[in-house]
Amino acid sequence: QSALTQPRSVSGSPGQSVTISCTGTSNDVGGYNYVSWYQQHPGKAPKFMIYDVSKRPSGVPDRFSGSKSGNTASLTISGLQADDEADYYCCSYAGSYYVFGTGTKVTVL
Amino acid sequence: QVQLVESGGGVVQPGGSLRLSCTASGFMFSHYGMHWVRQAPGKGLEWVSFILFDGTKKKDADSVRGRFTISRDNSKNTVFLQMNSLKTDDTAIYYCAKLGGMGATDDYWGQGTLVTVSS
Repeated sequence: QSALTQPRSVSGSPGQSVTISCTGTSNDVGGYNYVSWYQQHPGKAPKFMIYDVSKRPSGVPDRFSGSKSGNTASLTISGLQADDEADYYCCSYAGSYYVFGTGTKVTVL
Repeated sequence: QVQLVESGGGVVQPGGSLRLSCTASGFMFSHYGMHWVRQAPGKGLEWVSFILFDGTKKKDADSVRGRFTISRDNSKNTVFLQMNSLKTDDTAIYYCAKLGGMGATDDYWGQGTLVTVSS
């Protein structure tokens, strides 16, 4: 049950795009189309941004998109805005357990 | 309005026990599986435990298996986490959550309750 691997940090200027990777194994990310992404601002509970690899819950801007190839899922934020500065976590179902990613801090320059 | 309210956190010595509670309102609690997720200070999210809507199936992270037990009382809209043999590494904010995904668009989290394991 190892945590999924995410880059520690990514950054971009307002209006630019950033992509966060989430690498697991064939037992989790690669084995199921059940990857979610969460945004967490300091001191707050996580917010649900993407589910089932690429679907957006209502209320989440279409600037946020998800994809998956093999054992790696990705979250892309387009048109970066100041409020996007936060920590982001992927989460995958793995059959007998769930696993979160190590987390990525997104900085808006 | 959906609410998940955790309670039961506090300071406990290594080897001690605590029981966390999470009371839900605003959605059909008895229809959904529930999770506990924790976050150590300054660290990332870690999935801890899951219980099926009717309590018949449970799953635990390797890090807590044999020490933590998840349970629920649907008559009281409450999920519990009994934590025994606590270690300093268990120090974290503990969130209860109804996670989205697998076709479900609704995802709910509580505000968290802090557990500190220290001598």
